Amino acid sequence: DAEITQSPRHKITETGRQVTLACHQTWNHNNMFWYRQDLGHGLRLIHYSYGVQDTNKGEVSDGYSVSRSNTEDLPLTLESAASSQTSVYFCASSESIYGSETQYFGPGTRLLVL
Amino acid sequence: KQEVTQIPAALSVPEGENLVLNCSFTDSAIYNLQWFRQDPGKGLTSLLLIQSSQREQTSGRLNASLDKSSGRSTLYIAASQPGDSATYLCAVPSSGGGADGLTFGKGTHLIIQP
Repeated sequence: DAEITQSPRHKITETGRQVTLACHQTWNHNNMFWYRQDLGHGLRLIHYSYGVQDTNKGEVSDGYSVSRSNTEDLPLTLESAASSQTSVYFCASSESIYGSETQYFGPGTRLLVL
Repeated sequence: KQEVTQIPAALSVPEGENLVLNCSFTDSAIYNLQWFRQDPGKGLTSLLLIQSSQREQTSGRLNASLDKSSGRSTLYIAASQPGDSATYLCAVPSSGGGADGLTFGKGTHLIIQP
């Protein structure tokens, strides 16, 4: 069955370190998304991609970057981790750009920045 | 900017009751609306996707309605069971068809008492 996987599932890092969270989908979807989920804020969009070599900033993109070199993967990089980036990160994908398809979510990565 | 509000924030009911979760959104020009379920420590599972041309969608004991003109959606759960305990999230496209991500409500935390 097609799925989205994220790794690692849990990560502890120190302030200032670079961290990369992996997202891999086997749906063959063109659209991929990164969200963060925080108490009191709900889920917020960080970055998204319509396809290979395409990336776009979301609502809370400062301090994060993504790159899309193939259809299956959209890694999220925290350039210099900050305590404010402690959160749960979810990757998602969808097939259509016309809003007719649901988004499928990965299991999440819980990140703690000390 | 699209905003999504969910009421109530939390709900605890005895098993067997029918219940209604509410979702409202500020920009009625949406292509669709989705309801998700999130279990503790897990990712999001799509429950229902309602297209803008539809009034409602049904899946088993779940029924979701959409009133675009009033900016409202409801999720009706019939004959609730302890296994329905979870957080329910409502989401609409941030703009256009949703290829640029979803805007989420903060969720309704539901507890079904055995």
